[in-house]
Amino acid sequence: DTAVSQTPKYLVTQMGNDKSIKCEQNLGHDTMYWYKQDSKKFLKIMFSYNNKELIINETVPNRFSPKSPDKAHLNLHINSLELGDSAVYFCASSHSGTGFHEQYFGPGTRLTVT
Amino acid sequence: AQKITQTQPGMFVQEKEAVTLDCTYDTSDQSYGLFWYKQPSSGEMIFLIYQGSYDEQNATEGRYSLNFQKARKSANLVISASQLGDSAMYFCAMREGWGYGGSQGNLIFGKGTKLSVKP
Repeated sequence: DTAVSQTPKYLVTQMGNDKSIKCEQNLGHDTMYWYKQDSKKFLKIMFSYNNKELIINETVPNRFSPKSPDKAHLNLHINSLELGDSAVYFCASSHSGTGFHEQYFGPGTRLTVT
Repeated sequence: AQKITQTQPGMFVQEKEAVTLDCTYDTSDQSYGLFWYKQPSSGEMIFLIYQGSYDEQNATEGRYSLNFQKARKSANLVISASQLGDSAMYFCAMREGWGYGGSQGNLIFGKGTKLSVKP
């Protein structure tokens, strides 16, 4: 029944490691997003994918790479983790096209880098 | 310059009273959408209400209404008859543009307002 799911919910790792966060949506949406919420609760877009094509890449370090095997999945890979990467990462999805399209968010993944 | 401004970091409201959470926005687009999301302490993001820039009437969804003043570029959220379960962070967000392409699909968030409902 879950519309947008993320795994894992919590991720604790050491600096320098490489980790992945998985995201899946069963809403039939064609666009998926990754947002980062910092310790002050500020949410900022990182990436969005439309029909398996990256359509926007904000100024995030190239250690972060989104990978979409199909339009229902958008995974986030992070290489050489740094302390500043500690945050909550949210996956979201929506329809694309003109007009209003609500974004549905996943439950978030809390990443802690030690 | 900030695109979305929420000037109230924290607010208190008595249970059963109404409360207004402020949001102002900045855009040069004629077509845009304004959203409010709720984030309880459990962490999930819950969509509450939407207002399109061409909508003539203020949006309402149950106890939530959006006081949209286009000339002032404000989109305040009004919660009527506050409940204890309304205690949460509330985020105002904007989607610029009506089509798709580039960054038009993205949501730009404000910094949020933490609402606490007192019994």
